[in-house]
Amino acid sequence: DAGVTQSPTHLIKTRGQHVTLRCSPISGHKSVSWYQQVLGQGPQFIFQYYEKEERGRGNFPDRFSARQFPNYSSELNVNALLLGDSALYLCASSLGGGAKTQYFGPGTRLLVL
Amino acid sequence: AQTVTQSQPEMSVQEAETVTLSCTYDTSESDYYLFWYKQPPSRQMILVIRQEAYKQQNATENRFSVNFQKAAKSFSLKISDSQLGDAAMYFCAYSPIKDSNYQLIWGAGTKLIIKP
Repeated sequence: DAGVTQSPTHLIKTRGQHVTLRCSPISGHKSVSWYQQVLGQGPQFIFQYYEKEERGRGNFPDRFSARQFPNYSSELNVNALLLGDSALYLCASSLGGGAKTQYFGPGTRLLVL
Repeated sequence: AQTVTQSQPEMSVQEAETVTLSCTYDTSESDYYLFWYKQPPSRQMILVIRQEAYKQQNATENRFSVNFQKAAKSFSLKISDSQLGDAAMYFCAYSPIKDSNYQLIWGAGTKLIIKP
């Protein structure tokens, strides 16, 4: 079975631009979470979606937004990119509805110049 | 707010030996989950082991086991018979259960080096 997939794997943008990151969960999983991992640190929670509804949001500015589609895939959007947005963006999926274990994709490495 | 602390930025162990990675956390909740994840240079976060707080028995997965001390809020990972493939960053993570919010709260990680 395919695991969590993310696209693109790498991305280079300039300050002020917009970026969209994509994630497909494991088949049968209905919950998707997004995390930002700055180099040398542990991940920070950005969003969690379950059944297309936002279930949780971390301490990130409104420039960050996300959505979940009827097929449970998800997009993370970041507007007005800053140098500090350079990071590894991780997507995780879980069964949802009480399941606690999250399974991660390979991540998208974003570099903002 | 819940926090997770990993006080060992780096640990090294001889191949085939045993190593223990430390993790402490702070929470006022009585029910939660704890995890250890491994992140090799390939960057993908891989689940190593999970512990439910209501279970007194320590979780075990092959060569990996935990020492869960709920009162002390301690959750250490023991790796037995260390292998070269165990070299990676290891992250301890906490998951609350309250309000159906299953976000993971992470420590800063411990880099594990395996000496051949």
